[in-house]
Amino acid sequence: GENVEQHPSTLSVQEGDSAVIKCTYSDSASNYFPWYKQELGKRPQLIIDIRSNVGEKKDQRIAVTLNKTAKHFSLHITETQPEDSAVYFCAANTGTASKLTFGTGTRLQVTL
Amino acid sequence: GAVVSQHPSWVICKSGTSVKIECRSLDFQATTMFWYRQFPKQSLMLMATSNEGSKATYEQGVEKDKFLINHASLTLSTLTVTSAHPEDSSFYICSARYKGGGEQYFGPGTRLTVT
Repeated sequence: GENVEQHPSTLSVQEGDSAVIKCTYSDSASNYFPWYKQELGKRPQLIIDIRSNVGEKKDQRIAVTLNKTAKHFSLHITETQPEDSAVYFCAANTGTASKLTFGTGTRLQVTL
Repeated sequence: GAVVSQHPSWVICKSGTSVKIECRSLDFQATTMFWYRQFPKQSLMLMATSNEGSKATYEQGVEKDKFLINHASLTLSTLTVTSAHPEDSSFYICSARYKGGGEQYFGPGTRLTVT
């Protein structure tokens, strides 16, 4: 089955700096890669997603890049703010049901 | 649009009892629903995938006789944890997807504590 690895597990940046989180996947048939932000005790919130037919997608301060050949994708957050502090999960779809396999998560802390 | 609710938001039960958690898609028809379990400081682990009107498909290592899933309509799926034990204490989250859609819409989660 699909295996999704995510790095780093924790990331601390100063406000205004950029943050980058990287994921790799194993199933070459995966074609949908969402990123979620989860605050403590809350549901995961979709912040951006990308499909395999594009290499990059941007939404204001958030961007995602995808390298299908290398099977990795990354989340980039620019001009970080304290409210960006949360746990971020990458995911990749797999199988006929297009179920999601999640990465292990990255705890992002944005300090003042 | 695409709102998913869960009920209850939290529940405490005694060891050996059963607990039912409901997942509803409020403004769309969910042909597929997913159930996840999340332990503290860990990732979401898929437990099972259910399609309306058919039996759920369970992930490896998930006991189907312990975690009963019923997807009786296009807007409702239920997860029943039978004979709950303290190790079943966790955050259970459902998600729903409409036909042909890629995005999963997540419910707010149910925190189960088994004493």
